[in-house]
Amino acid sequence: KQEVTQIPAALSVPEGENLVLNCSFTDSAIYNLQWFRQDPGKGLTSLLLIQSSQREQTSGRLNASLDKSSGRSTLYIAASQPGDSATYLCAVPPSGTYKYIFGTGTRLKVLA
Amino acid sequence: GAVVSQHPSRVICKSGTSVKIECRSLDFQATTMFWYRQFPKKSLMLMATSNEGSKATYEQGVEKDKFLINHASLTLSTLTVTSAHPEDSSFYICSAPPGLPDLNTEAFFGQGTRLTVV
Repeated sequence: KQEVTQIPAALSVPEGENLVLNCSFTDSAIYNLQWFRQDPGKGLTSLLLIQSSQREQTSGRLNASLDKSSGRSTLYIAASQPGDSATYLCAVPPSGTYKYIFGTGTRLKVLA
Repeated sequence: GAVVSQHPSRVICKSGTSVKIECRSLDFQATTMFWYRQFPKKSLMLMATSNEGSKATYEQGVEKDKFLINHASLTLSTLTVTSAHPEDSSFYICSAPPGLPDLNTEAFFGQGTRLTVV
């Protein structure tokens, strides 16, 4: 059974810092891995989607990497800003399905 | 891009009443939709798979009679929380895979519904 874990659970950093969020999954049979952002009381905003055949994806100050063999993904946020404060979730759909298994989330707070 | 619309975004209801949440795919057909639930400060957990033209498939531990799912058409799935109780208060969100059978693209998520039962 696929399990997705995110470390750290919470993170507080000063503005301008570069930071790394970690996501690990137990079953490497995935089609892709997706990173989401969730603001308090809000829905999900898709940040990056990495196909199983890819190693990384970049969007602006965000860079996500994927190592299927070790069951790990990282989300790198460069030059963090207070507006980046949110909960970040990674999710994987098991092979052959769109049933996403979500990670436990990392609550990020960027201090001005 | 494809859009999934969920309504309402917030609802407050009294204990014992039923609440219906709608999930619509706006510019594509979705034979399958998924319903998730998020407890406070927890991650999202899959509740059930909604199948157009057939019964929903529920995940282990989810009460079928409590959470009624109806996939009325290729663009609409509804989740009805029946005889709601305060412990049903939660954030509910739906998703739909893209119209084509391409597993290398992302599923699309609704905006979510915050249910508060008082």
